[in-house]
Order: sequence, then C-alpha cells, then structure tokens
Amino acid sequence: GENVEQHPSTLSVQEGDSAVIKCTYSDSASNYFPWYKQELGKGPQLIIDIRSNVGEKKDQRIAVTLNKTAKHFSLHITETQPEDSAVYFCAASRGNTPLVFGKGTRLSVIA
Amino acid sequence: EAQVTQNPRYLITVTGKKLTVTCSQNMNHEYMSWYRQDPGLGLRQIYYSMNVEVTDKGDVPEGYKVSRKEKRNFPLILESPSPNQTSLYFCASSFSGALREQFFGPGTRLTVL
Repeated sequence: GENVEQHPSTLSVQEGDSAVIKCTYSDSASNYFPWYKQELGKGPQLIIDIRSNVGEKKDQRIAVTLNKTAKHFSLHITETQPEDSAVYFCAASRGNTPLVFGKGTRLSVIA
Repeated sequence: EAQVTQNPRYLITVTGKKLTVTCSQNMNHEYMSWYRQDPGLGLRQIYYSMNVEVTDKGDVPEGYKVSRKEKRNFPLILESPSPNQTSLYFCASSFSGALREQFFGPGTRLTVL
C-alpha cells in the first residue's frame, strides 16, 4: 500500500521568512495530494491540494509543487505569520483508496 | 452551519467497558471515515464508509467496529476498550471519497485506564 514520508517533523522560522515541508510517496499511481493544517485543539483543515496532472498550485502565500517522477511534493509558505503556527499534514491517495497521511510537521513561527 | 460533530469530546473509561463515539454530518456527504491521531504517528485511518451500509477497514481496524445505517451518522464502537486505544479520534466526511476535501470533526480524546 501507499506510504507517505514527511520531513521535517518540527520546523521553526522567523516571522516573515519562508517555510518548506517535503513529502515523498511510494505508490506511483497516487494522483491526489492534499495538505491539511491542524491548529491546537481542532481537527485538520484542508489548506491546498494538487492533482497529478498539475505541477504547481498557488493560493496567496501558500504553494504546493509536485514532482511525479521523483514521487515527492512540497508545501511552501511565504512571508510566514504567527497564525501559520500549527501542525501540517501531507497526504496521498489514488482513485477511491483511502487517504494516507504523513506523520506531520509542527511549524513554529517566531515573532 | 456545515459541520461534523462528535460526542463525547472527552472520555475517560476503564478497560473492557463498551463505549460508542458518535459522529454526525449535516452536509449530505457520501463518504465518512474515522482516524486516530497519536504522537509521532500522525493520522491513521480506522474505518471508512463510501455510502450507507458500505464500510471497509482502514489501516488500524483491530478493536473497533462501525456502522452506517444512515447517511449522516457514522458511530465508532469499542466493544472492549484497552489502554492501547487511548488516543485522539477524529471523524471526517467528504462529498465523495478520498479525492475530495475531508471535513474533520473537533476530535474526541479517549483515555482507557
């Protein structure tokens, strides 16, 4: 089955700097790659997703890139703000198989 | 307000005492699932349901049961809880399957003594 590796497990950045979180997946048939943000005491919430027919997608300060050949995808957050502090999860799925999540990255933005 | 609700939010119980965590969504979603979240292990899927009366095992189904008798409800049943089921549990729903946005509930923190 699918296996998703996520790095780093923790990340600290200064406010205003960029943050990058990377994930690799094992199943070359996976075609959907969402990113979820989990704030303290809440359930995860989708922030951006990308499908395998697209190499990059942007939404304001966040972007996701996908390299199907290397089987990895990354989340980029620019101009980080304290409210970006949270745990971020990547995930992968193909067809109607369940989402498989990475283990998460705890991002701390230091003011 | 579109949402996924879970009850209870917090539960402390003892080994072997059957319990049910309820999950309900008001978005008319076809797909519902249960996850457990443990430190260092991320989110792992327990069971999922593609539609009413259709359920299937996720990655960690042992010790759990589910049912999907109505579209909006997807309860998680622990027939004989054990301490290794102490965890944070999330219910999620989506319009159809894993290729669409998953809407997560607020979580249920379960402690089994």
